[in-house]
Amino acid sequence: KNEVEQSPQNLTAQEGEFITINCSYSVGISALHWLQQHPGGGIVSLFMLSSGKKKHGRLIATINIQEKHSSLHITASHPRDSAVYICAVGTYKYIFGTGTRLKVLA
Amino acid sequence: DAGVTQSPTHLIKTRGQHVTLRCSPISGHKSVSWYQQVLGQGPQFIFQYYEKEERGRGNFPDRFSARQFPNYSSELNVNALLLGDSALYLCASSLDDGGADTQYFGPGTRLTVL
Repeated sequence: KNEVEQSPQNLTAQEGEFITINCSYSVGISALHWLQQHPGGGIVSLFMLSSGKKKHGRLIATINIQEKHSSLHITASHPRDSAVYICAVGTYKYIFGTGTRLKVLA
Repeated sequence: DAGVTQSPTHLIKTRGQHVTLRCSPISGHKSVSWYQQVLGQGPQFIFQYYEKEERGRGNFPDRFSARQFPNYSSELNVNALLLGDSALYLCASSLDDGGADTQYFGPGTRLTVL
């Protein structure tokens, strides 16, 4: 069993829909990261969380340390949000989740 | 400020050859980590260097080695290439060693071994 699990693995949504991606982890952490990877391969850091909730534009990330669970929400989804979303835990050594491939249709 | 840069962007090698990948961190960042991402999978940690010292190593064979230079740039070397080494190699930099610090990723080097 992976130390970091994500669900769903694949997600197709219509433009404007509210999207939730979930991440569960089994190791102790000091921080959890949400990352976005586009088809070209580049990885962009979206959030680093150690508690509570963070918001940036249409993206919201939450974490529940006691339950070892985090969620990434996208409000009013848009085709440009299509990418692989990855959660990762760790500091200098990230342990990556399995990734969620999101496709938003116009 | 420039982000993390990696060179080359693409590389084709044959089995048994040696390859050197290069990474320049964000200015002021002292930590560099290397990851291997095989197609369809998540990245796997290979090495971390901080202040020119190896601070962490993933589950990779000794054919993989790395070093960090006084300007904090880094090289990843892979000897005796195997077909299974074909992957996207990602470099990430961060300010410090450990702690809850965000890593910033480069665009990656795509290595194809024939």
